[in-house]
Amino acid sequence: EAGVAQSPRYKIIEKRQSVAFWCNPISGHATLYWYQQILGQGPKLLIQFQNNGVVDDSQLPKDRFSAERLKGVDSTLKIQPAKLEDSAVYLCASSLGGSPSTDTQYFGPGTRLTVL
Amino acid sequence: GIQVEQSPPDLILQEGANSTLRCNFSDSVNNLQWFHQNPWGQLINLFYIPSGTKQNGRLSATTVATERYSLLYISSSQTTDSGVYFCAVRYYGGSQGNLIFGKGTKLSVKP
Repeated sequence: EAGVAQSPRYKIIEKRQSVAFWCNPISGHATLYWYQQILGQGPKLLIQFQNNGVVDDSQLPKDRFSAERLKGVDSTLKIQPAKLEDSAVYLCASSLGGSPSTDTQYFGPGTRLTVL
Repeated sequence: GIQVEQSPPDLILQEGANSTLRCNFSDSVNNLQWFHQNPWGQLINLFYIPSGTKQNGRLSATTVATERYSLLYISSSQTTDSGVYFCAVRYYGGSQGNLIFGKGTKLSVKP
């Protein structure tokens, strides 16, 4: 079974530029998550999708971050314009989407973003 | 919101040694997972363990939900065990899918 796929693996941009990340979840997984992991910290949830609807985006900085999952499968996360503090690893995860008490999340390899 | 604290923050072991990593959480949880983040950044699921004890090879985990802690045991450590170990919880007061991560324990196993 293929895991969660992400691209690109690395990205270097200058501040005020825009960037987009792509995620393909495990086949059949209804729920997709984007996390931000700053160096030395644990991942923090940015947004959660159930199929193509948003379940939780309370921690997404909506003035510069946007995400979509148009057909309920692949997802893109965009930052426009980027700031220095956006330098982090962006992790995509997916899960079957069953009961929260039993649902297990599986993570992709991440995209390491450096903003200069 | 819930607080998740992991200890120790850093751990250096000689190959073959055993270790215990601890995760304390400040509220009742309905989901707890342990992850290993390898040096290349990949987060690998180790255990889903909201309560009880599980074992997988040289690794085992125990969660005592009533006392709000979980332990991860690594026996006969190998250099490939190096990386950061994260505990993540989902709690009854949180949003449906939100896993709250601790800051991790960085493990270095020396040959």
